Amino acid sequence: DVKVTQSSRYLVKRTGEKVFLECVQDMDHENMFWYRQDPGLGLRLIYFSYDVKMKEKGDIPEGYSVSREKKERFSLILESASTNQTSMYLCASSLSLGSGNTIYFGEGSWLTVV
Amino acid sequence: AQTVTQSQPEMSVQEAETVTLSCTYDTSESDYYLFWYKQPPSRQMILVIRQEAYKQQNATENRFSVNFQKAAKSFSLKISDSQLGDAAMYFCAYRSASAGGTSYGKLTFGQGTILTVHP
Repeated sequence: DVKVTQSSRYLVKRTGEKVFLECVQDMDHENMFWYRQDPGLGLRLIYFSYDVKMKEKGDIPEGYSVSREKKERFSLILESASTNQTSMYLCASSLSLGSGNTIYFGEGSWLTVV
Repeated sequence: AQTVTQSQPEMSVQEAETVTLSCTYDTSESDYYLFWYKQPPSRQMILVIRQEAYKQQNATENRFSVNFQKAAKSFSLKISDSQLGDAAMYFCAYRSASAGGTSYGKLTFGQGTILTVHP
């Protein structure tokens, strides 16, 4: 089975801190995604990556950046955390972009910014 | 840009009965995929069912089936013989299959529907 692992399940950070959310997948998938999930809004795409060192903005990239130095790892970075970034963050991966390949999700990281 | 709308924030069903969750989407593309994902309290997203837009036949997976109406841009999920384990948040999602489009390869989600199953 494909496994997408988000190393931190629950984090509490202070306003202004730099926050790293890490995601690792074990199936040699080309594509990786970061979503945030908020009540009533569903999941919204922050960034995605279709190859190592490649990234594209999603629908809500403001206040976030990403890093993909190795194929299996995709990091989400909050340069200066703010309270409106309190949310659940979901990482996902898929084999390729253009087909109906299943997108696999991690278990989520709950981030609270105080 | 594509949008996905789930107009039912919450639904409930009695165990063993049937429930239908609604989803509509907006797109100008002809080639795409539609999905239903289940998110139980553990928060692990699980793929329930997938539909290719070019297929007229509705997808089915055991107790789960869809009613795909391409012209109406509607994609509802029917759960038959509901079980307590079906209680979860359900998300409808769209993924473009058109290379070069702005939504190519990305999943666009609806707002979600919380399903409660009563014993």
